[in-house]
Amino acid sequence: QQQVKQSPQSLIVQKGGISIINCAYENTAFDYFPWYQQFPGKGPALLIAIRPDVSEKKEGRFTISFNKSAKQFSLHIMDSQPGDSATYFCAAPRASKIIFGSGTRLSIRP
Amino acid sequence: DGGITQSPKYLFRKEGQNVTLSCEQNLNHDAMYWYRQDPGQGLRLIYYSQIVNDFQKGDIAEGYSVSREKKESFPLTVTSAQKNPTAFYLCASSVVRRLNTEAFFGQGTRLTVV
Repeated sequence: QQQVKQSPQSLIVQKGGISIINCAYENTAFDYFPWYQQFPGKGPALLIAIRPDVSEKKEGRFTISFNKSAKQFSLHIMDSQPGDSATYFCAAPRASKIIFGSGTRLSIRP
Repeated sequence: DGGITQSPKYLFRKEGQNVTLSCEQNLNHDAMYWYRQDPGQGLRLIYYSQIVNDFQKGDIAEGYSVSREKKESFPLTVTSAQKNPTAFYLCASSVVRRLNTEAFFGQGTRLTVV
């Protein structure tokens, strides 16, 4: 009953490049689309989130793009740095529970 | 400091034993969650609770049990019925509202069967 499909599973990007992670959702009732960042041995933490009434949100080097008709949202990391190496999760929260995507392991090569 | 505290950080269990993982939060959140994370895998929901004395099964509840006697506490018991319990367990909490529900996570408990 996966409601959020995330891709790719892993991603290697050169330092300074653009990292792009995608997420597709099934349930149109979702109304808040966050991305979480997790470093090894730690719990995930909210990185950036978007509401469906806007198509894009930017915070520093991180941008969420939202395509409501395609039921997709993506995370773009500009000028990727080694410190961005982590696992990234999209999520689809509802009032009763929060469902996470399968995660993308991002590695930034120096 | 407000946050979520999980303990212990590392836990070893012998086969056939029940073990209980602790989760405490002082964020005054109504909702609490338990997730399981296997190496290279995503977060799978075990149980969640929106209010004291009430909880619901997630996607992989078999072999686990929880209680919610206090708003601040949501312990998870891994029973002997859970055949493959070795994993990283994460507890989270959030406010209960329709929009902008951010989850706050603890630092996790790594459980290993020996």
